[in-house]
Amino acid sequence: DTEVTQTPKHLVMGMTNKKSLKCEQHMGHRAMYWYKQKAKKPPELMFVYSYEKLSINESVPSRFSPECPNSSLLNLHLHALQPEDSALYLCASSQVTNQETQYFGPGTRLLVL
Amino acid sequence: LAKTTQPISMDSYEGQEVNITCSHNNIATNDYITWYQQFPSQGPRFIIQGYKTKVTNEVASLFIPADRKSSTLSLPRVSLSDTAVYYCLVGDSGNTGKLIFGQGTTLQVKP
Repeated sequence: DTEVTQTPKHLVMGMTNKKSLKCEQHMGHRAMYWYKQKAKKPPELMFVYSYEKLSINESVPSRFSPECPNSSLLNLHLHALQPEDSALYLCASSQVTNQETQYFGPGTRLLVL
Repeated sequence: LAKTTQPISMDSYEGQEVNITCSHNNIATNDYITWYQQFPSQGPRFIIQGYKTKVTNEVASLFIPADRKSSTLSLPRVSLSDTAVYYCLVGDSGNTGKLIFGQGTTLQVKP
């Protein structure tokens, strides 16, 4: 199983809402990542988790709150987002955080109204 | 981190071989070169990775000259389904898992 799953596929939320994005992998990977991708732009790294510990936060605003409850799950909690946060949010995983191949999920398309 | 430079777009026809070149002048000694493919509204998909010389798999070949300051992704006999964005990445030698995507090359395959 080389699949990374993400739910939901689409999400529409208001600026005062609280929502969460979920990512799951069952490949035994110990590194998981969140990326943000705007239309016609490359993915931009947001967070890196290594062995369930946050190892990289790319100066992401606090309205994005990551959580790694166990080695298979990665959440991204969203609160008080802005319309400019509308984007495709991609989750990825790799065996560890060296230069191993990262496997990406299909993403969650987020629209903030 | 080594920055990569690729052509913004390329056009090809079905059945042709496509070569996409990426420049990475500041590549570090320990860095690998990795290529990803991305279709619209999907996550990037790993294509191939190499360190030097030539690597080939069932999808593509990767040519890396001795100085490693560039690399070329070769797609043999492309089809319409190869229309996608192709990203060249050079890994972070600090082993942090930090991938920096360049602007990518949009390949349009025509019938």
